[in-house]
Amino acid sequence: EDQVTQSPEALRLQEGESSSLNCSYTVSGLRGLFWYRQDPGKGPEFLFTLYSAGEEKEKERLKATLTKKESFLHITAPKPEDSATYLCAVQARNTDKLIFGTGTRLQVFP
Amino acid sequence: GAGVSQSPRYKVTKRGQDVALRCDPISGHVSLYWYRQALGQGPEFLTYFNYEAQQDKSGLPNDRFSAERPEGSISTLTIQRTEQRDSAMYRCASSLDPNTEAFFGQGTRLTVV
Repeated sequence: EDQVTQSPEALRLQEGESSSLNCSYTVSGLRGLFWYRQDPGKGPEFLFTLYSAGEEKEKERLKATLTKKESFLHITAPKPEDSATYLCAVQARNTDKLIFGTGTRLQVFP
Repeated sequence: GAGVSQSPRYKVTKRGQDVALRCDPISGHVSLYWYRQALGQGPEFLTYFNYEAQQDKSGLPNDRFSAERPEGSISTLTIQRTEQRDSAMYRCASSLDPNTEAFFGQGTRLTVV
């Protein structure tokens, strides 16, 4: 069964304190791995898609990486406005649906 | 439209009533997805369409739930004989095609009393 596990469940960082969020997955043939950001009361907002092991993508203070078993979302020198829940999802080759993890709730304090 | 639009934003209904939730995807988007999200959890897949064809409805909890997208654009998720356990945030997403990222709407918060 396709499955996504995210860790930690919650993370508190001081502004400027870099860290990483983990997304471990099992899927019957990976088509794509997606990262989303979700602010309270809002729908998930797309960040990145990764397709193959070794691929990396960056956007401002965020960098996503992918291996055959997991993905990391690295946050460099975070700011309070980076506070949100970060969701990881996988799409298998034999389906179009996304399977989501439960998310990591990030809080960045000034 | 500029984004995925869902209506109503909030719906309170009495147990046993039927409800219809509407999703208006981004114009030109082929794929449309329905998810349900509990507080503190990730979205849980319900069903999806490519054009007007329902490709997968394996996530629908039971036969009280149904969805349609008759003209390949607007979609309706219908819940018959609502129960308290149906209370949740229902989210719709659309993508240009099945291989590209999905964009989510603001959701419909359903409360069954």
